[in-house]
Amino acid sequence: RKEVEQDPGPFNVPEGATVAFNCTYSNSASQSFFWYRQDCRKEPKLLMSVYSSGNEDGRFTAQLNRASQYISLLIRDSKLSDSATYLCVVNTFTGNQFYFGTGTSLTVIP
Amino acid sequence: GAVVSQHPSRVICKSGTSVKIECRSLDFQATTMFWYRQFPKKSLMLMATSNEGSKATYEQGVEKDKFLINHASLTLSTLTVTSAHPEDSSFYICSARGSGRRYNEQFFGPGTRLTVL
Repeated sequence: RKEVEQDPGPFNVPEGATVAFNCTYSNSASQSFFWYRQDCRKEPKLLMSVYSSGNEDGRFTAQLNRASQYISLLIRDSKLSDSATYLCVVNTFTGNQFYFGTGTSLTVIP
Repeated sequence: GAVVSQHPSRVICKSGTSVKIECRSLDFQATTMFWYRQFPKKSLMLMATSNEGSKATYEQGVEKDKFLINHASLTLSTLTVTSAHPEDSSFYICSARGSGRRYNEQFFGPGTRLTVL
């Protein structure tokens, strides 16, 4: 079983739509969770960390469900510029490895 | 803060030659750096974890004699692809683990696109 699993998509949504991505992880000892964004042929960039209580940054909301071992990312009022691949990343606090999901591709259509 | 640079950004070489890629943390010290490769439309694949002053830890299936990693200082790790072949053509990305309260974050370099002819 993979450490981190994501639905690869693609998700094609119209501008202004709300879209949600989920990501599940297998290691219950995981402590740190992140969403990264990767544009085509570019490096991943941190979008937001995911905290236990959930957190929001503008149009983006991240949630963590430890009981079910999944994290989610909600994007409201989608913009064309949101088109990218979204990667969820999980790390165990004592471990030195970050586990990446395969990424979810999002295309926002005019 | 937390800027990571990579050099070169793009390299084209002939089969059989060796290529060195540098990864630098510009404004912080990174005891741990990671090397990834990524094929088109695929996810990042961790190749190895590089720890300053010690040998790198390679992932299963990654040849340590082919992908030489050196992490000689707290701000520099290098990846050398030895005797490169066309199948080594890929996007290589390094990242550096943060320090202090950002220890559980990693910061990516802009990547190096390697093409082996």
